[in-house]
Amino acid sequence: EVQLVDSGGGLVQPGGSLRLSCVASGFTFSSYWMTWVRQAPGKGLEWVANINQDGSETYYVDSVRGRFTFSRDNAKNSMSLQMNSLRSEDTAVYYCMSTGLGSGWGQGRLVTVFS
Amino acid sequence: QAVVTQEPSLTVSPGGTVTLTCGSSTGAVTSGHYPYWFQQKPGQAPRTLIFDISDRFSWTPARFSGSLLGGKAALTLSGAQPEDDAEYYCLLSYSGVGVFGGGTKVTVL
Repeated sequence: EVQLVDSGGGLVQPGGSLRLSCVASGFTFSSYWMTWVRQAPGKGLEWVANINQDGSETYYVDSVRGRFTFSRDNAKNSMSLQMNSLRSEDTAVYYCMSTGLGSGWGQGRLVTVFS
Repeated sequence: QAVVTQEPSLTVSPGGTVTLTCGSSTGAVTSGHYPYWFQQKPGQAPRTLIFDISDRFSWTPARFSGSLLGGKAALTLSGAQPEDDAEYYCLLSYSGVGVFGGGTKVTVL
C-alpha cells in the first residue's frame, strides 16, 4: 500500500522559511516523479513543483520559482520542499503526491504565513 | 502559463451518468499532457482516480473511466452513487509543469 507521511510546516512571519518533508513507502520511490500540491483555505488545488526520478530535473509554478527548492533522497525514500521568503499568499495546506502507478497523497501540512 | 478549464458544477441522479471535461487554453489535450483525475471530499486529502488519460488503480471504482473526448480529457461516471458526491480535479502536464483545473463539484441528487 502506498503511504506518504509528511511533516513540517507551521506558523511563520512573512519573509521567513519553513521546510516540508515527506517519507514514502509501499512503492518503488526512485521510479516515479514526485509532486507538491497546495490548497489555500476554501480554494482549489494548486500544483507547486515536480521532481523527476533522480532529482536532476525540477519544475516550479511561477509564483514560487526562486523561493522554493524541491529535493529528494532516493536512498531514504524521502523528499523535501524548502520554502524561503514566504509570503501571505503561500498560506495553504501542502500535500506531497506520488505519480503514476505509485500514486498516493500525504495527509497534508498547514503552512500559515502571518504578520 | 496555460489555463485548464473544468465545469464548475454538475448534478447527476443516483444511478445516472455524467461526464466531466478538462480543457486546455493551449489547444487540444493529448496523451502528452498525461491527464490525471482526482477526487476530493470535504476535510480530506485528494485521492487519485485516473492517470495517463484512462489508467485506473485498484481502488478506483469501475464506474469511473477516463478518455479523450473532443479535444479534452474526460472523466465519465456511470452509475453514480451517493458517495461520489465530491469535488473532482484534473491535472495536465506542460513539459514538466503541472496545472490543475479549477475543479468540478459533482452533486448526486
